[in-house]
Amino acid sequence: VQLVESGGRVVQPGDSLRLSCAASGFAFSSSGMHWVRQAAGKGLQWVAFMRYDGSNNQYAESVRGRFTISRDNSKNTLFLQMNGLRVEDTAVYYCSILHYFDGVPYLPYWGQGTLVTVPS
Amino acid sequence: DIQMTQSPSSLSASMGDSVTISCRASHDISNFLSWFQQKPGKAPGLLIFAASTLQDGVPSRFSGGGSGTDFTLTIRNLQPADFATYFCQQTYTMPYTFGQGTRLEIK
Repeated sequence: VQLVESGGRVVQPGDSLRLSCAASGFAFSSSGMHWVRQAAGKGLQWVAFMRYDGSNNQYAESVRGRFTISRDNSKNTLFLQMNGLRVEDTAVYYCSILHYFDGVPYLPYWGQGTLVTVPS
Repeated sequence: DIQMTQSPSSLSASMGDSVTISCRASHDISNFLSWFQQKPGKAPGLLIFAASTLQDGVPSRFSGGGSGTDFTLTIRNLQPADFATYFCQQTYTMPYTFGQGTRLEIK
């Protein structure tokens, strides 16, 4: 299993940015996927989720209406479109796979992360 | 949202010690609880899921317990590689919230 995030860079407040997560080594088109972020020296914050078929998008309240999760199953790639970026969106963004064990969800595999910086 | 509260926020221990980290959920989450280990500059690594199931490749020195609102992560016979930050996460309902983390340091 490999997840490789890309697209992070320094942007100005109000700018837009699209992150990508290239997946390999597993059945991407059958897997729900998450984005999770972490500000420097801080804890983990769940950001967004998309089912394997692109339905049932879920978002953290802090990004709802500004961020959009999407996927291209033909290219095994997950995306996070981020609009109206704010200083508080500065973080490392990770993508992760959703698995189930006896009906209990868990996130066993994570990418290495991509850094988004929105300076004040 | 379900709030996850970890304690302690940090602790110091010596090689060979055993430590226990607690995680409390603001609502009953059954066994929908995972534990992660994170080292500086690295992605989180899954240790335990479904409250007590050890992820493949994780040493048996790690164990998880609890159900409902109170959970524990116990590490026995601490090794150098164990000094890291630990997070709990509930997956009962989205948003999948995390505890604030427990930093385990060498005494």
